[in-house]
Amino acid sequence: EAGVVQSPRYKIIEKKQPVAFWCNPISGHNTLYWYRQNLGQGPELLIRYENEEAVDDSQLPKDRFSAERLKGVDSTLKIQPAELGDSAVYLCASSIWDRASTDTQYFGPGTRLTVL
Amino acid sequence: GDSVTQMEGPVTLSEEAFLTINCTYTATGYPSLFWYVQYPGEGLQLLLKATKADDKGSNKGFEATYRKETTSFHLEKGSVQVSDSAVYFCALSEGGDYKLSFGAGTTVTVRA
Repeated sequence: EAGVVQSPRYKIIEKKQPVAFWCNPISGHNTLYWYRQNLGQGPELLIRYENEEAVDDSQLPKDRFSAERLKGVDSTLKIQPAELGDSAVYLCASSIWDRASTDTQYFGPGTRLTVL
Repeated sequence: GDSVTQMEGPVTLSEEAFLTINCTYTATGYPSLFWYVQYPGEGLQLLLKATKADDKGSNKGFEATYRKETTSFHLEKGSVQVSDSAVYFCALSEGGDYKLSFGAGTTVTVRA
């Protein structure tokens, strides 16, 4: 079974430029998550989708960050414009989730963003 | 809010040594507890989990027991290998909730 796929793996951009990250979850997983992992820290949730609906985007900085999951499969996370403090690893995860249980989240390899 | 505190690293060990990484948590309810591992250049992988008090999670020789009385979920392995070198993250989610709260991670290096 293929795991969570993310691209690109690495991205270097100048500040104020836009950037986008792509995620393809495990087949059949209805829930998709985007996390940000700063250097030396654990991941922090940015946004969670159930199918195509963003059910928790409370931690997403909406002035510059946006995300979409059209058709409830692949997802794209965008930053426009990027700032120096956005340098981090952006992780995508997916799971099969229902309200009666806490299910395992499977993580992709992440995209390491460097903003110069 | 919910939070996880884990032992600071880095930790350096010799092969076949005993490894323990401390993890304590703060939660309002009855969380599920997890250990994730991140090998160099790879994504986070679930190592083990426990969903209720006194449960023991185990995988690949690693074990952790959910201790409600001490709000702890310490990770242990009796004999580490070089291939265990990685960053280990303790995490929790509240029962029925999806949101994982991670600790800062502990870097473990095992030398031959």
